[in-house]
Amino acid sequence: DTGVSQNPRHKITKRGQNVTFRCDPISEHNRLYWYRQTLGQGPEFLTYFQNEAQLEKSRLLSDRFSAERPKGSFSTLEIQRTEQGDSAMYLCASSPLGGINQPQHFGDGTRLSIL
Amino acid sequence: GQQLNQSPQSMFIQEGEDVSMNCTSSSIFNTWLWYKQDPGEGPVLLIALYKAGELTSNGRLTAQFGITRKDSFLNISASIPSDVGIYFCAGQVQGAQKLVFGQGTRLTINP
Repeated sequence: DTGVSQNPRHKITKRGQNVTFRCDPISEHNRLYWYRQTLGQGPEFLTYFQNEAQLEKSRLLSDRFSAERPKGSFSTLEIQRTEQGDSAMYLCASSPLGGINQPQHFGDGTRLSIL
Repeated sequence: GQQLNQSPQSMFIQEGEDVSMNCTSSSIFNTWLWYKQDPGEGPVLLIALYKAGELTSNGRLTAQFGITRKDSFLNISASIPSDVGIYFCAGQVQGAQKLVFGQGTRLTINP
């Protein structure tokens, strides 16, 4: 079990630029989640996938955000035309399918800083 | 929307002391989870609770799922320096996948 892997760990970009983050879930975990965490707060849910299907999106996920999981393995989160308010830690988590709520295991996140 | 109120927001204790923190909600949850987060890292799962009244231990950590399903608490016994960090509770409704997190409890230990 290699854990959830996220790349890059840090991203610094100018306002207005596009950024893309990648998440590799734990092997054989069918469910993949994206959360956003700002300083001093707990993570907030953005979206989740079951295999390649995106099944839920939060109202936090504006039109500038798009997430994909094309082959049901890794996922990407893209932010277009970044704004100052997008500065945050973006966390990915994964869990297996199961009869009851399976606990989600998190990666170490991508910290995004908008200049 | 669903919100979790976690208290205390911060704790300053001496090494060896026991710690207690709790999480309350106005909504019912079917799963409660406790995570620990160190600076620059992601949350690490400590304990998962699935049944009202359930009491579960993981080493020096003990967590309980409240009878009303609207609260949970976490105890740490005989604290050690590596317990320093931010502890988050998270709730999950049956059949829903998103986790709702509390604001965290920051634990600082004086050696």
